[in-house]
Amino acid sequence: LAKTTQPISMDSYEGQEVNITCSHNNIATNDYITWYQQFPSQGPRFIIQGYKTKVTNEVASLFIPADRKSSTLSLPRVSLSDTAVYYCLVVASGTYKYIFGTGTRLKVLA
Amino acid sequence: DTEVTQTPKHLVMGMTNKKSLKCEQHMGHRAMYWYKQKAKKPPELMFVYSYEKLSINESVPSRFSPECPNSSLLNLHLHALQPEDSALYLCASSQDSSEGKAFFGQGTRLTVV
Repeated sequence: LAKTTQPISMDSYEGQEVNITCSHNNIATNDYITWYQQFPSQGPRFIIQGYKTKVTNEVASLFIPADRKSSTLSLPRVSLSDTAVYYCLVVASGTYKYIFGTGTRLKVLA
Repeated sequence: DTEVTQTPKHLVMGMTNKKSLKCEQHMGHRAMYWYKQKAKKPPELMFVYSYEKLSINESVPSRFSPECPNSSLLNLHLHALQPEDSALYLCASSQDSSEGKAFFGQGTRLTVV
């Protein structure tokens, strides 16, 4: 299983773009990168998933460089309600072992 | 329906009690998961069922016993728990392995006294 490393915490201000980077140096060829958001006392919520290059949906973008050893979750124009913990997961295709790392606590300030 | 429903939301049990946590999904997902989460820690994988068969047990103590009666339901039977087992128990489901994309329930907050 590829180990992931993220910053423990980040602060940002409302309206700013936030980029959270995850390192996964030993990612394998058939591994996918998935990001979750979790609010206190709630279950994690899937945000975005990718394999390579760039993926964008209505809430975030995911940038994956060619070597795939890292990925960056980009949240455009954050609001106070984006204060949460963000987890990066690396999951091998065809497996069920979804292992959460320590995550990044994002605090959005007014 | 994109929900995973867990009941009860809160549970207090004594160390000699037997109780069960329930999880239900109607998305046609064939994989279901149990996670345990302590305060300010990431969710820890406990069990995975795929196609109603136990496929992963992350060396969980036998006082936790999972059961998958059908493709929509997942139970976690609890017996002789310890106070340190108090945590948020999360259920999730995914469409087969899905490369990491899963839907989580809101969890059951368990307190063992």
